[in-house]
Amino acid sequence: DAKTTQPTSMDCAEGRAANLPCNHSTISGNEYVYWYRQIHSQGPQYIIHGLKNNETNEMASLIITEDRKSSTLILPHATLRDTAVYYCIVRGVNSGGSNYKLTFGKGTLLTVNP
Amino acid sequence: NAGVTQTPKFQVLKTGQSMTLQCAQDMNHEYMSWYRQDPGMGLRLIHYSVGAGITDQGEVPNGYNVSRSTTEDFPLRLLSAAPSQTSVYFCASSYSRPGGEKLFFGSGTQLSVL
Repeated sequence: DAKTTQPTSMDCAEGRAANLPCNHSTISGNEYVYWYRQIHSQGPQYIIHGLKNNETNEMASLIITEDRKSSTLILPHATLRDTAVYYCIVRGVNSGGSNYKLTFGKGTLLTVNP
Repeated sequence: NAGVTQTPKFQVLKTGQSMTLQCAQDMNHEYMSWYRQDPGMGLRLIHYSVGAGITDQGEVPNGYNVSRSTTEDFPLRLLSAAPSQTSVYFCASSYSRPGGEKLFFGSGTQLSVL
């Protein structure tokens, strides 16, 4: 699996967009970029994933560079409840289209300030 | 729909004691897995299962046993607890088909071994 590099911590003002970067320069063609987050003392929560194209859902947007060597998770209007550790993970899927062996690094601690 | 349910939420053991951490999911997911999370660390995969009757080792399997007799349940057994097994344990599940990119996590079991 490709290795990812994320900043250890970031701050964001409440109501502003939070942009969380992730470098994955060794990503291969069939590997997806996944984002999860973990609010203190809770289990990780899936946010979004993508292969090549930018993706958007009700939680966030994922911007993947054209060379796929980096990506940015965007929380458009951060709230205090978005304070969490955010994990960027690169992994392929099996032939069934699933993934169950994700490797979680240390992630980025995003602190949303009032 | 309860999702992924883990019991107990907290447990204190003495060195050498045995116990079973329970995990159940009601989403008819084929894949289930166990992770442990130590302070300041990401999640590490212990064991996983791709279906009833099929299990395999993850990154840190030593000291843990698993079995999968039903689709719904995936218990994790500690046969002889050691202080090094003090950690927070998370169970996760997902589909084995497209849509299975998303892992669903339980709320965790905090285990202390004295």
